[in-house]
Amino acid sequence: DAKTTQPTSMDCAEGRAANLPCNHSTISGNEYVYWYRQIHSQGPQYIIHGLKNNETNEMASLIITEDRKSSTLILPHATLRDTAVYYCIVRVAGGNAGNMLTFGGGTRLMVKP
Amino acid sequence: GAVVSQHPSRVICKSGTSVKIECRSLDFQATTMFWYRQFPKKSLMLMATSNEGSKATYEQGVEKDKFLINHASLTLSTLTVTSAHPEDSSFYICSATGNNNEQFFGPGTRLTVL
Repeated sequence: DAKTTQPTSMDCAEGRAANLPCNHSTISGNEYVYWYRQIHSQGPQYIIHGLKNNETNEMASLIITEDRKSSTLILPHATLRDTAVYYCIVRVAGGNAGNMLTFGGGTRLMVKP
Repeated sequence: GAVVSQHPSRVICKSGTSVKIECRSLDFQATTMFWYRQFPKKSLMLMATSNEGSKATYEQGVEKDKFLINHASLTLSTLTVTSAHPEDSSFYICSATGNNNEQFFGPGTRLTVL
């Protein structure tokens, strides 16, 4: 799986949009961008994933650049409960069901009142 | 999404004893389960990959005789930390994949070895 680079930490004001960047300059054509988050002392939670088109669900939006070398996860209206470590992971989807996830350092997002 | 449970959620044991952690997929059949370990303020590190009915594949540096993994059914995998020592104290997390290859994580088990 391609490596990803994320800022170590970010702050965001409650109610504002949180924009979390991720660089994945060595991503392959068949690799998806996945985002997970981990709230303190809990297991990781899936947020969203995409290949090349922008994606949106009830939790977040994912913006992938045209060259696919970077992406941004957007939490449109951050709440205190969104405080967590956010992991950007690139991996091949489908195919071998044993495909594992490789976690990097992630971004520690602190939402402040 | 699919639900994965772990039991116990936290355990404290004496040095030298063995501890078993269970990971269950509650509403789907898990073809593959993964075990991760996470130390404080660190990221998740994959320990092993487990397929139902076959031996687990361990990552480099993970002792297979110390961390025994059993994946006896499509909904249950167990991790046994044998002869636990204080340095084994960590947050152990499992995940499971079904036929659609998406991974769902358990809530984790915090192990403290005294």
